[in-house]
Amino acid sequence: EAQVTQNPRYLITVTGKKLTVTCSQNMNHEYMSWYRQDPGLGLRQIYYSMNVEVTDKGDVPEGYKVSRKEKRNFPLILESPSPNQTSLYFCASGQGASDTQYFGPGTRLTVL
Amino acid sequence: GENVEQHPSTLSVQEGDSAVIKCTYSDSASNYFPWYKQELGKGPQLIIDIRSNVGEKKDQRIAVTLNKTAKHFSLHITETQPEDSAVYFCAASKDNFNKFYFGSGTKLNVKP
Repeated sequence: EAQVTQNPRYLITVTGKKLTVTCSQNMNHEYMSWYRQDPGLGLRQIYYSMNVEVTDKGDVPEGYKVSRKEKRNFPLILESPSPNQTSLYFCASGQGASDTQYFGPGTRLTVL
Repeated sequence: GENVEQHPSTLSVQEGDSAVIKCTYSDSASNYFPWYKQELGKGPQLIIDIRSNVGEKKDQRIAVTLNKTAKHFSLHITETQPEDSAVYFCAASKDNFNKFYFGSGTKLNVKP
């Protein structure tokens, strides 16, 4: 089944404790992206990647890191999480930015 | 960067009625406009999209119209059903730019 998977689905952590949210897709897509969803703000793009070893900032990259060492995986790293990073996070993949994006099920992160 | 505005934020209709959601965008170079439906607890899913070389596109009960001059596009759902109840997002992007911009979302409630 073609899909985007994220882990964990739920995470509660404390300020400053490094964490990684994994994202994997099995559709051989070149484009992958991370978004955060906050009430009243829609989805805002954090980082995106056009291919292996090629990543770039979206609109809200501060406090996040990403890497793309393999085509199928695109982990999101929070080196020192803060409460304002409490949000619902989505990973997506597609053939390109101006093409259909397939979203994962989301990761609900709470930073205390 | 691009700014996408979406209205209304909430919309309540009676089953069988039509629903219209409107979005405006600021960057005249944007040329890809998808609409996503997000059901509770799930990631957004593409329901229809349109490119700037087309003025209207239909898929059964769903249609999207695009007015490039006015820089706005709309989602039309006819003969609404309770299963249409969800949050709908519009978005915009452009070729070779790789960033993706979402509206703030519309919560549609279809009353039986």
